[in-house]
Amino acid sequence: EAGVAQSPRYKIIEKRQSVAFWCNPISGHATLYWYQQILGQGPKLLIQFQNNGVVDDSQLPKDRFSAERLKGVDSTLKIQPAKLEDSAVYLCASSQDGSEQFFGPGTRLTVL
Amino acid sequence: AQSVTQPDIHITVSEGASLELRCNYSYGATPYLFWYVQSPGQGLQLLLKYFSGDTLVQGIKGFEAEFKRSQSSFNLRKPSVHWSDAAEYFCAGASNAGGTSYGKLTFGQGTILTVHP
Repeated sequence: EAGVAQSPRYKIIEKRQSVAFWCNPISGHATLYWYQQILGQGPKLLIQFQNNGVVDDSQLPKDRFSAERLKGVDSTLKIQPAKLEDSAVYLCASSQDGSEQFFGPGTRLTVL
Repeated sequence: AQSVTQPDIHITVSEGASLELRCNYSYGATPYLFWYVQSPGQGLQLLLKYFSGDTLVQGIKGFEAEFKRSQSSFNLRKPSVHWSDAAEYFCAGASNAGGTSYGKLTFGQGTILTVHP
């Protein structure tokens, strides 16, 4: 069984630029999560999708972050414009029935 | 507010020694509890989880954890550490959402484990 795929693995941008991350969950998994992991901290949930609907986006900075999950499969997380404090690893996870989350390798973003 | 705390930022042990990583939680009701491991450049891998029942939970790679309601703790243990166990370990909690489903995961700050030969 293929795991959660994420791309790119690394991204370096300058502040005020925009960036997008892509996630392909495990086939058949209805729930998809995006987490932000700042260096030295545990992951923090940004947004949770159930199929293509948003379940929880209470911690998503909506003035600059957006996410979508078209057709209930792949998902894209976008930051526009990026700030220095957005430097972090962005983790995508998926779950079939809500009982276990499987994580991808993450995208490491550096904002200069 | 719901929270998970890992008091130790960094722990160093010798290979073959025993290990205990501490985790404390603060939830209104008994949460679901998890331990994850993260190796450099890798995603999070689930070691074990506690939903209910037996308070001593066995996981993968020889790890176990014990749920202690009186101490609001869920400490991770391993009797003999191997060099390959060097990684960062995260404790996480989630509210019960019915059956085996749960709400969003709240992670602790993580504990970095260094293993000396």
